[in-house]
Amino acid sequence: EAQVTQNPRYLITVTGKKLTVTCSQNMNHEYMSWYRQDPGLGLRQIYYSMNVEVTDKGDVPEGYKVSRKEKRNFPLILESPSPNQTSLYFCASSLRPRGLYEQYFGPGTRLTVT
Amino acid sequence: AQTVTQSQPEMSVQEAETVTLSCTYDTSESDYYLFWYKQPPSRQMILVIRQEAYKQQNATENRFSVNFQKAAKSFSLKISDSQLGDAAMYFCAYSGSNFGNEKLTFGTGTRLTIIP
Repeated sequence: EAQVTQNPRYLITVTGKKLTVTCSQNMNHEYMSWYRQDPGLGLRQIYYSMNVEVTDKGDVPEGYKVSRKEKRNFPLILESPSPNQTSLYFCASSLRPRGLYEQYFGPGTRLTVT
Repeated sequence: AQTVTQSQPEMSVQEAETVTLSCTYDTSESDYYLFWYKQPPSRQMILVIRQEAYKQQNATENRFSVNFQKAAKSFSLKISDSQLGDAAMYFCAYSGSNFGNEKLTFGTGTRLTIIP
């Protein structure tokens, strides 16, 4: 089954404790991205990747890191989480970056930073 | 930068009736893509319908159709014969064609309630 998976689905952590949210897709997609969803703000892009070893900042990159060492994986790293990073996070992928190609979303990761 | 505006935070409709969700956007590009996504309580993002700006014909997917007004930069979603399963948050989104504008820019969403 073609899908985007994220782990964990739920995470409660404390300020400053490094964490990684994994994202994996099995569709051989080139383009992957991370979004965060906050009430009243919709979804905003954090980082994106055009292909292996090619990543760039989205609209709200502060406090996040990403890597793309393999085509299928695009982990999101929070080196020192803070309460303002409490949010719902989505990973998405598409065959190519253009809007012509549908973006497939993962199931979301609910992160709480206390 | 592109912006997407959804001015209706909440809408409600009687089951089997028709409802229209509004969306406006701002862009300087001539070629782009517009989307409506549905987010039910499961939180999964589901693509409902897509419109390519160079196509004048409005997109339709079963009970879902759009009214795309390019000059007015308006992209509304019409849901006909509303069903209980249509209850969800609906997001309008934009994707450009120029390099660097491929990301999805989302509106703030409209929460749709279906009244039995």
